[in-house]
Amino acid sequence: DAKTTQPPSMDCAEGRAANLPCNHSTISGNEYVYWYRQIHSQGPQYIIHGLKNNETNEMASLIITEDRKSSTLILPHATLRDTAVYYCIVRGKAAGNKLTFGGGTRVLVKP
Amino acid sequence: GAVVSQHPSRVICKSGTSVKIECRSLDFQATTMFWYRQFPKQSLMLMATSNEGSKATYEQGVEKDKFLINHASLTLSTLTVTSAHPEDSSFYICSAHRGGGSGGELFFGEGSRLTVL
Repeated sequence: DAKTTQPPSMDCAEGRAANLPCNHSTISGNEYVYWYRQIHSQGPQYIIHGLKNNETNEMASLIITEDRKSSTLILPHATLRDTAVYYCIVRGKAAGNKLTFGGGTRVLVKP
Repeated sequence: GAVVSQHPSRVICKSGTSVKIECRSLDFQATTMFWYRQFPKQSLMLMATSNEGSKATYEQGVEKDKFLINHASLTLSTLTVTSAHPEDSSFYICSAHRGGGSGGELFFGEGSRLTVL
């Protein structure tokens, strides 16, 4: 079962920051927060992951609340190519730990 | 980033035939791979966990005799859909775990779209 809750959809303006929320109130101490996105008819693309500290890479920033019950993925300057379904997933880091997908957030970047 | 490749990307077959889909990790070794299925406008559903050198672990409701998984090497896992029927038409996606160091990421293949006539 998915352990995360995300809004089903959101629009954002091209060039603006997109803030994608995720609730994971039942996350356990050894579980990480992962974000993936899936562009239509492609396999999911890894974006970022974190445990408790905020993380940033070339694609996005991940802000995790202090109690770790929620997080926000930030796309700093959304482009039309960022239109995709974004999935927030909690998972332990061991190889056998599954990645269970919920419904995700369908993000539409508009010009 | 790490690359996971699937082949074929698209396949059309007749009902009753078997289809094999390959998943390769191109630049890392993967002791564990996962197979997913995705129907239109739905999320990915985990089918099975594939472990190198041992039997796959199937999710509840997934028929192991219909979806044969072989993980014979650290870079290759295969999914064979046996006696395919139209309801097996779907988008099949594999992922491979790259561990070690600061790893722990799962990387996904491009997916294989199966159409059974």
